[in-house]
Amino acid sequence: NAGVTQTPKFQVLKTGQSMTLQCAQDMNHEYMSWYRQDPGMGLRLIHYSVGAGITDQGEVPNGYNVSRSTTEDFPLRLLSAAPSQTSVYFCASSKDRGDQPQHFGDGTRLSIL
Amino acid sequence: GENVGLHLPTLSVQEGDNSIINCAYSNSASDYFIWYKQESGKGPQFIIDIRSNMDKRQGQRVTVLLNKTVKHLSLQIAATQPGDSAVYFCAENSGGSNYKLTFGKGTLLTVNP
Repeated sequence: NAGVTQTPKFQVLKTGQSMTLQCAQDMNHEYMSWYRQDPGMGLRLIHYSVGAGITDQGEVPNGYNVSRSTTEDFPLRLLSAAPSQTSVYFCASSKDRGDQPQHFGDGTRLSIL
Repeated sequence: GENVGLHLPTLSVQEGDNSIINCAYSNSASDYFIWYKQESGKGPQFIIDIRSNMDKRQGQRVTVLLNKTVKHLSLQIAATQPGDSAVYFCAENSGGSNYKLTFGKGTLLTVNP
């Protein structure tokens, strides 16, 4: 199993551009989530999904959209990139119970100029 | 809001010594706790977890202790090795659902040879 795969690993955008961060898992996990990691802030939850067709907002959802059309994929869309969205983004997945550890990808490092 | 925090942002130990990383949490309703290790350029890696009906759990060279009375969590690493050098995060299952993790800001562990 590859686990959680995130693409791209690095990206530079201009303010106002849009893009999609990809996340895929091959562990048949029901739960998937997106976090952003900023210096001194730890990881903060952006959006999460408890199964295909179901998404919900986390702590910092503004400026981001998600969809979950399949169990495997959970893309994160930046609609109009802003410098405040410069961060490292992590996708995670876990089994269908909330008391199971989440498995993380290696992140996408995103810079907004 | 309620946060998970860490007492020490950095910890430096000698190779072979035992390490103790502490974490305070404030949400008394949290019932599941996880420790993650994050190496530079990588995503968080699961180390060990503990549920609120336990006060101690052991893994390979690691032990997690949970003190619900004072809302304190600790990670003990026995015979610390240079490969243990990383940032360690505690996380609690909080936010009113079983799927939202709240992360602490992390402790940087440096192991000196």
